[in-house]
This record gives sequence, structure tokens and C-alpha cells, in this order.
Amino acid sequence: DSGVTQTPKHLITATGQRVTLRCSPRSGDLSVYWYQQSLDQGLQFLIQYYNGEERAKGNILERFSAQQFPDLHSELNLSSLELGDSALYFCASSVGTSGSPFNEQFFGPGTRLTVL
Amino acid sequence: AQTVTQSQPEMSVQEAETVTLSCTYDTSENNYYLFWYKQPPSRQMILVIRQEAYKQQNATENRFSVNFQKAAKSFSLKISDSQLGDTAMYFCAFDSNTGNQFYFGTGTSLTVIP
Repeated sequence: DSGVTQTPKHLITATGQRVTLRCSPRSGDLSVYWYQQSLDQGLQFLIQYYNGEERAKGNILERFSAQQFPDLHSELNLSSLELGDSALYFCASSVGTSGSPFNEQFFGPGTRLTVL
Repeated sequence: AQTVTQSQPEMSVQEAETVTLSCTYDTSENNYYLFWYKQPPSRQMILVIRQEAYKQQNATENRFSVNFQKAAKSFSLKISDSQLGDTAMYFCAFDSNTGNQFYFGTGTSLTVIP
């Protein structure tokens, strides 16, 4: 158990809908990262927050947005869903931010999104 | 831009044997961090080992060790005494000292054969 929690575990929805994925980082971690992993694919970095502020953006679609709240939990919002958005969405957390010593990321179990 | 390359999409090894997974990266930075993550069939991402670029000594964690060649920008993972539970996808990752992203390789699928 990494200490990172993600809810829900599974989500099935229809095209055009909007969903929210939730992540709670490990206690003491200030950074939250979101990744998308499609079937048999590598990890695509979406976005990072550090202590409530957006720190880095990767290949995140305009239909997707995220935020980190004062209690450091984060939510990833996916709207106007398409079939191709079906994937495993991981949240990870770390103590600091990129370049900090021992800044390894600890991953949650993921949310499996299926868009029908 | 930083890139991480894993040139072996799939590998297999006999149980109890040793296997080495390759990873190369591209960077102009002098200090950075490298990681290997394991993703078993459960899909959970698990940190296996980490290496700091300014440390010459190769990191070791039980049966897992790395061969870090800074000049060659190579960071291979050696698994000794392979066990069935080592069957997983292995991802190499690079953490920039100046950027704000983790860069992951495309992964190597390792199968341990009984």
C-alpha cells in the first residue's frame, strides 16, 4: 500500500459525459501528479500540482482539467468524454517537486475509466 | 527535451536466472534522478530502485541492482535470481533537476518462466 488513495476504482460512463476522479496523496506529500495509461501503453503525464498550484503540464487535453485543494487532495475532471478516453488514470504523490532529493513518486491504485 | 528509451519491448527469463533490462536517456543536465518502476498484472506501480546522478556507486536493493553509466546516459536494471513474482512491466523514469516532470520510458514487459 503506497498510501495514495484514488476513488473510484472503476467508472463506466457514456460518451459526452463528465466525470471527476479523486486522489488523496500520502501524508506529508505536497505534489500530486496525474497520468493516463491506455491499454498496453506507457504512462502519459497529464499534470502536476505542488502545494495547491499547478507546476507542470504534459499532454493534457483541453477537455480535461484538474485542481489541488487546500487539504492537498486533487481532482481530475474529464468532460465531453470520448471512447478514446478509456484508460487507467493514475495519481501519484511525492514530498517535493522535480529535482528534490529522493523525490520518487508513489502511485495510487488507479481509476479505470470505461467510456461506452 | 528529456527522453527515456527502453529498447526492449518484451523479455523473458528462466526462474532463478539473471536478466538485465536496458534504459537510455537524453539530457543536458548534470544532476538528476533515475528510477525503475514495476507494474505487475495488478497494474499497481511500484518503485523498485532509484539512483542519483551525482553518486558514482550503483544502487542496489536486494536482488535488484542498476548499472549506471553517466557518460553513456545508460541506466540498466539487473534482476538476479528471478522469481515468478517479478513478472511485470518495468518502466524506467527520469526526474529532471530543473524541470518539473517525470519522464517515463515505454516499458519492458518481463516474463519469468518457471
